[in-house]
Amino acid sequence: EDQVTQSPEALRLQEGESSSLNCSYTVSGLRGLFWYRQDPGKGPEFLFTLYSAGEEKEKERLKATLTKKESFLHITAPKPEDSATYLCAVRVSGAGSYQLTFGKGTKLSVIP
Amino acid sequence: NAGVTQTPKFRVLKTGQSMTLLCAQDMNHEYMYWYRQDPGMGLRLIHYSVGEGTTAKGEVPDGYNVSRLKKQNFLLGLESAAPSQTSVYFCASTPGQSPYEQYFGPGTRLTVT
Repeated sequence: EDQVTQSPEALRLQEGESSSLNCSYTVSGLRGLFWYRQDPGKGPEFLFTLYSAGEEKEKERLKATLTKKESFLHITAPKPEDSATYLCAVRVSGAGSYQLTFGKGTKLSVIP
Repeated sequence: NAGVTQTPKFRVLKTGQSMTLLCAQDMNHEYMYWYRQDPGMGLRLIHYSVGEGTTAKGEVPDGYNVSRLKKQNFLLGLESAAPSQTSVYFCASTPGQSPYEQYFGPGTRLTVT
């Protein structure tokens, strides 16, 4: 069974304090790993797609990396507006390849 | 472009009542999805569609039906609502070819009493 586990469940950072969120996965035939940001009361907003180990993507203060077993979302010098829940999802090959399997998310709070 | 829109935003139902949630997208996307999001459970796929006139079951389809009569619309129906269906429902769409990222609507908060 495909599994996606995110850690930690919640993270509190001081403004400017860099850190990383983890997404570990156990799937057969990874066809893409996705990061989303979700603000309270809103739908998830797409951030990044990673396809192969060693790949990196950056957007402002966020950088996503991928290995064969996990992905990290690095947040450099975060600001209060980065506070949100960050979701990780995987797309796998086979009959369910149209589907994404989501982790439960990491709730990030950045304190001024 | 409005992207993905959902109607209604909020709804309260009594056990046994029925309702339909509407999802519309103006991006000409082929694939559309219905998810539910519950505290501590993450997003779970209910049903999806890979094109007009086609639908398929996801991870948690029981108690729901869907229809995709037009490419831009995807309807989710609850024939006889149960308290276990209290949740936030999200619709998403994707082009169906690379890139595969899904674009989500703002959600519908449904409470069944």
